[in-house]
Amino acid sequence: DIQMTQSPSSLSASVGDRVIITCRASQSISSYLNWYQQKPGKAPKLLIYAASSLQSGVTSRFSGSGSGTDFTLTISSLQPEDFATYFCQQTYSTPQTFGQGTKVEIK
Amino acid sequence: QVQLVQSGAEVKKPGASVKVSCKASGYTFTTYSIHWVRQAPGQRLEWMGWINGGTGNTRYAQKFQGRVTITRDTSASTAYMELSSLRSEDTAVYYCTRESQSSRYITSSDYWGQGTLVTVSS
Repeated sequence: DIQMTQSPSSLSASVGDRVIITCRASQSISSYLNWYQQKPGKAPKLLIYAASSLQSGVTSRFSGSGSGTDFTLTISSLQPEDFATYFCQQTYSTPQTFGQGTKVEIK
Repeated sequence: QVQLVQSGAEVKKPGASVKVSCKASGYTFTTYSIHWVRQAPGQRLEWMGWINGGTGNTRYAQKFQGRVTITRDTSASTAYMELSSLRSEDTAVYYCTRESQSSRYITSSDYWGQGTLVTVSS
């Protein structure tokens, strides 16, 4: 199975900060990488698909980049509603696998 | 609007089975696949398996082979996930998701059910 490792596991940031979360795959997955946001008690929400494509209806504060094994999710200017946990997911091979999550907390 | 509505929370004893339903609306059920993913307390999301809404073909994670069965009823636009021989480690929130496919055939889960908590306890 492909292992997905996110860093950091958690971070504290202030409103207006630029936040970068990274995700590394244990082998090349081309652009088969998605990012999700999850708030407590809620289902994950798709933010970015195919590494860099913004899901319809998602604010352009979120952007994704990368290919192969290294990927990033960037929040350009953190807003109060962005405090949540973020997961990456690879769909290059079965089984799909997820990162352990990055919790973004208020500083 | 697209919605996936799952059945309610379950409490089961070790060794029992559970069947969770996922009713789809707002789109043509047979043109999309449904995946099942679970999230145990403090753990990362874990993919369990998939069913093609049109053909009914399935594929399961090796970890769950022999214990999980995913089916669908196209007349009811509903998918089901049954997990047998439950143990305490199966306590988790179970989600169904709709598979979306990009122009480059890269898949993602664009809609999720609200989640179903399954608690396994004696």
